[in-house]
Amino acid sequence: DAGVTQSPTHLIKTRGQQVTLRCSPKSGHDTVSWYQQALGQGPQFIFQYYEEEERQRGNFPDRFSGHQFPNYSSELNVNALLLGDSALYLCASSLGGAFYNYGYTFGSGTRLTVV
Amino acid sequence: AQRVTQPEKLLSVFKGAPVELKCNYSYSGSPELFWYVQYSRQRLQLLLRHISRESIKGFTADLNKGETSFHLKKPFAQEEDSAMYYCALSKSGNTGKLIFGQGTTLQVKP
Repeated sequence: DAGVTQSPTHLIKTRGQQVTLRCSPKSGHDTVSWYQQALGQGPQFIFQYYEEEERQRGNFPDRFSGHQFPNYSSELNVNALLLGDSALYLCASSLGGAFYNYGYTFGSGTRLTVV
Repeated sequence: AQRVTQPEKLLSVFKGAPVELKCNYSYSGSPELFWYVQYSRQRLQLLLRHISRESIKGFTADLNKGETSFHLKKPFAQEEDSAMYYCALSKSGNTGKLIFGQGTTLQVKP
């Protein structure tokens, strides 16, 4: 089992552009959460998808949007990129939403650099 | 406001010495508390959670609701314990977001 898979691993974009990050959850998991981790900081919750719907959202602007597909994989889209969006984006999967029994399984992240 | 505070950015100890990584939280209600660890070049992984009251790799953590703390302890540090440690909380029974602290780097010297 490859666990949580994220692509790409690294990405460089220009201010104002749009970016799409992808995540495949661990086998058997159906819930995907996205986190942003700035340098030297802990991860910050962006949103969570369950049953193809955004179930919960953190304090991020509407420029951040997402999607979950029927196979439980997910995308994170960021529009109108700002320099401050440069960060490591982490995907985490869990089972049935009841993560407190199992905890999250994290991917290794996508490093986004905005220039 | 919901918040997790890890007051030390870096904790450096010698092998065999006791370790205590501090975590304080601010939360109205009954949170669930977790410790996550990230070893060099590896992904973030769950170390332990307070509801299971288990010991993983010799680490334990007790939830102190009076002091709103969840400190991580190990009696004898090993070099392989060197890593970044994050304390995190969520709403009890909540299936959504984790709130993370800023993390503490543990450096165990030989």
